[in-house]
Amino acid sequence: QKEVEQNSGPLSVPEGAIASLNCTYSDRGSQSFFWYRQYSGKSPELIMFIYSNGDKEDGRFTAQLNKASQYVSLLIRDSQPSDSATYLCAVSNTGKLIFGQGTTLQVKP
Amino acid sequence: SAVISQKPSRDICQRGTSLTIQCQVDSQVTMMFWYRQQPGQSLTLIATANQGSEATYESGFVIDKFPISRPNLTFSTLTVSNMSPEDSSIYLCSVELIEAFFGQGTRLTVV
Repeated sequence: QKEVEQNSGPLSVPEGAIASLNCTYSDRGSQSFFWYRQYSGKSPELIMFIYSNGDKEDGRFTAQLNKASQYVSLLIRDSQPSDSATYLCAVSNTGKLIFGQGTTLQVKP
Repeated sequence: SAVISQKPSRDICQRGTSLTIQCQVDSQVTMMFWYRQQPGQSLTLIATANQGSEATYESGFVIDKFPISRPNLTFSTLTVSNMSPEDSSIYLCSVELIEAFFGQGTRLTVV
């Protein structure tokens, strides 16, 4: 079992819709959870981080964490074509990050 | 937040040679991390660089192939030794802060 799992996609949504990206992890001791966005040929860019169960909202982005289910998700409201990228889920216990394989999101105009 | 400067940003190297990548942070940090992203893949942690001690390598990575230096709390280098085409990847450094930031990465092509 991979430590951090994501559906590779591609996930295709129409412009203006809500995109839902999901991630599960195996290490129950994980304490910090991150979502990165990566455009092709670019370095990962941090979008959100979350530590506590529940929801955390920042603009159009909402991160949701459920430690009991070992599940973290990212919702993108009012999706834009510029949101088209690969979204990487990362989990940390001791400072080092373990990444999922990433989900490719395509937002169609 | 932290500003991480990494260089070179890209390089094309001959097989059998070595390349040293530098990572500079604008604040003192305890741990620095080096990751590799192979084409079409996600990021994999190579090693954790601690100031004043040897780096800690992840499974599948060895010091002879990826020697790391950490002379102070703001700087680290990663060397990719005796390169082969399989080493063609993006190499990224990161630091442990509340928010984990990455440098811009080094895109390495081995021919």
